[in-house]
Amino acid sequence: NAGVTQTPKFQVLKTGQSMTLQCAQDMNHNSMYWYRQDPGMGLRLIYYSASEGTTDKGEVPNGYNVSRLNKREFSLRLESAAPSQTSVYFCASSRDRAKDTQYFGPGTRLTVL
Amino acid sequence: EDQVTQSPEALRLQEGESSSLNCSYTVSGLRGLFWYRQDPGKGPEFLFTLYSAGEEKEKERLKATLTKKESFLHITAPKPEDSATYLCAVQASGSARQLTFGSGTQLTVLP
Repeated sequence: NAGVTQTPKFQVLKTGQSMTLQCAQDMNHNSMYWYRQDPGMGLRLIYYSASEGTTDKGEVPNGYNVSRLNKREFSLRLESAAPSQTSVYFCASSRDRAKDTQYFGPGTRLTVL
Repeated sequence: EDQVTQSPEALRLQEGESSSLNCSYTVSGLRGLFWYRQDPGKGPEFLFTLYSAGEEKEKERLKATLTKKESFLHITAPKPEDSATYLCAVQASGSARQLTFGSGTQLTVLP
């Protein structure tokens, strides 16, 4: 099993450009999550999907949109990138949201100039 | 608001020198406390989940404990390969059930 995979690994954007970060899991998990990690701030939840067909906002959703394409895939879209969105983005999945471990992907390092 | 504070921010140990990392938390009803290890440039790797005060879990040189206000990650006779950032997170029993993470403790074990 590959676990949780993310593409791309690195990306540089100019302010105002758009892009989609891709995430897939092969563990047959129901729930998926997008986090961002910034120095000194810990991981913060952007959006999550408790199950296929549902999505909900997390702590820092502004400037982002998500799509739960199917049970395996959960994408994160930046419609108009801003320098404040420079961060490392992690996707995670869990069997469900209640009392269950989240497993993380390797991350995407995004720089917005 | 759920809060997680980890201390120290950074810790340097000599190989074999045992120590403990602290995770203090404030949460409206604890559903679970999670420990992760993160290597540079990698995603967090799951270590332990603790659910109730008094619970302990062990894995190789690591032992996690939980009280009603904090958790400790004890590292016994560490090796250089234990060098990493250790993250603590809590999951509240409220409706959102999302994880709230601390900022981590960066551990360096010198040979």
